[in-house]
Amino acid sequence: DTGVSQDPRHKITKRGQNVTFRCDPISEHNRLYWYRQTLGQGPEFLTYFQNEAQLEKSRLLSDRFSAERPKGSFSTLEIQRTEQGDSAMYLCASRLAGGPYNEQFFGPGTRLTVL
Amino acid sequence: KQEVTQIPAALSVPEGENLVLNCSFTDSAIYNLQWFRQDPGKGLTSLLLIQSSQREQTSGRLNASLDKSSGRSTLYIAASQPGDSATYLCAQGGGSNYKLTFGKGTLLTVNP
Repeated sequence: DTGVSQDPRHKITKRGQNVTFRCDPISEHNRLYWYRQTLGQGPEFLTYFQNEAQLEKSRLLSDRFSAERPKGSFSTLEIQRTEQGDSAMYLCASRLAGGPYNEQFFGPGTRLTVL
Repeated sequence: KQEVTQIPAALSVPEGENLVLNCSFTDSAIYNLQWFRQDPGKGLTSLLLIQSSQREQTSGRLNASLDKSSGRSTLYIAASQPGDSATYLCAQGGGSNYKLTFGKGTLLTVNP
């Protein structure tokens, strides 16, 4: 399977715990995005990486959130001291810079439930 | 601020009908527009992408159009099937990083 993969697919945690999600983009894609989707809403942009550099962060990304892409390949999104409002689907997408359409390809998402 | 609006929020049709989903956007500096399908609890499946220089794209029973001057896109589904039941999202790509701004989606139900 050469698509975008995310792990875990589901995560249930208690309020106050830290969680970390992983995204593996399509291998040759050097651009990577994180989005968050709450129930009944469309996904909202969180952050963007060009290779290992984090070039843009949304105001939605509070200080409790941190994202990394250490070697320009996979990326992690960590949420510290989780709150019930963090419950959402976290989606990762990747694209090939300079590709003909700059199309983004999405992974299956990680569904986070904070109790 | 970029905003994307989708109408209707929900649509129920009998099998075999042709239907149109609407998407409007406020940013005239759009780079591209993507239509996605999302099944309950799942990720996004890309259906069609239209570049700002294009007017429409077709894939099988799907046809998407783009009118930059009016800030509108439509997704036309021909001969709908129960398997088409899902939420359809449109997203505007723009800005220096081509990030996507999504609408809230249209929940489509095709009844056998």
